[in-house]
Amino acid sequence: AQSVAQPEDQVNVAEGNPLTVKCTYSVSGNPYLFWYVQYPNRGLQFLLKYITGDNLVKGSYGFEAEFNKSQTSFHLKKPSALVSDSALYFCAVRDSGYALNFGKGTSLLVTP
Amino acid sequence: DSGVTQTPKHLITATGQRVTLRCSPRSGDLSVYWYQQSLDQGLQFLIQYYNGEERAKGNILERFSAQQFPDLHSELNLSSLELGDSALYFCASSPLAGGNNEQFFGPGTRLTVL
Repeated sequence: AQSVAQPEDQVNVAEGNPLTVKCTYSVSGNPYLFWYVQYPNRGLQFLLKYITGDNLVKGSYGFEAEFNKSQTSFHLKKPSALVSDSALYFCAVRDSGYALNFGKGTSLLVTP
Repeated sequence: DSGVTQTPKHLITATGQRVTLRCSPRSGDLSVYWYQQSLDQGLQFLIQYYNGEERAKGNILERFSAQQFPDLHSELNLSSLELGDSALYFCASSPLAGGNNEQFFGPGTRLTVL
């Protein structure tokens, strides 16, 4: 089964510093990987996806993610964190059908 | 705003009852997905419909059912409710059945079973 793992429950970073939220995947075949963000009492918002092509994927709100096949990772990054980036971040992989299998989520806290 | 709407926003009911959650996909999207988000289980895929037909099933209980209507809106029916069914239920939509498309999520319906 296609799955992702987010090893960190919470990531803390100071505003202006770079941030990384980690995700590793386990798939058979080529992975279709996604990042979503969830703000309190809101639905999930799509940030970016990797289907094929460049290993560095650029997405919304200045986020990017690096696909690393040898390390089976798809880490989310941002060069300079904002307090407003504080939210719950989910990595997901498309399963053998068409649904998304989500990680358990990583809470990002950006402090001023 | 993703363009996906869900009603109601909140639902409080008692054990043993039945409820219906409604979802309208983004304009032009043919595929609808239902997910359940709870503290202990995380985000779990329940079921997918594409253009009115069931396409995939995930961890959906037999007490739960769904359908997609000709106007493409979808309803998730939850019956014989138990305390453990309390969760946030999301609907998502995408243009096609899958492929490379990202899914766009609605704001969710928070179900509380007392």
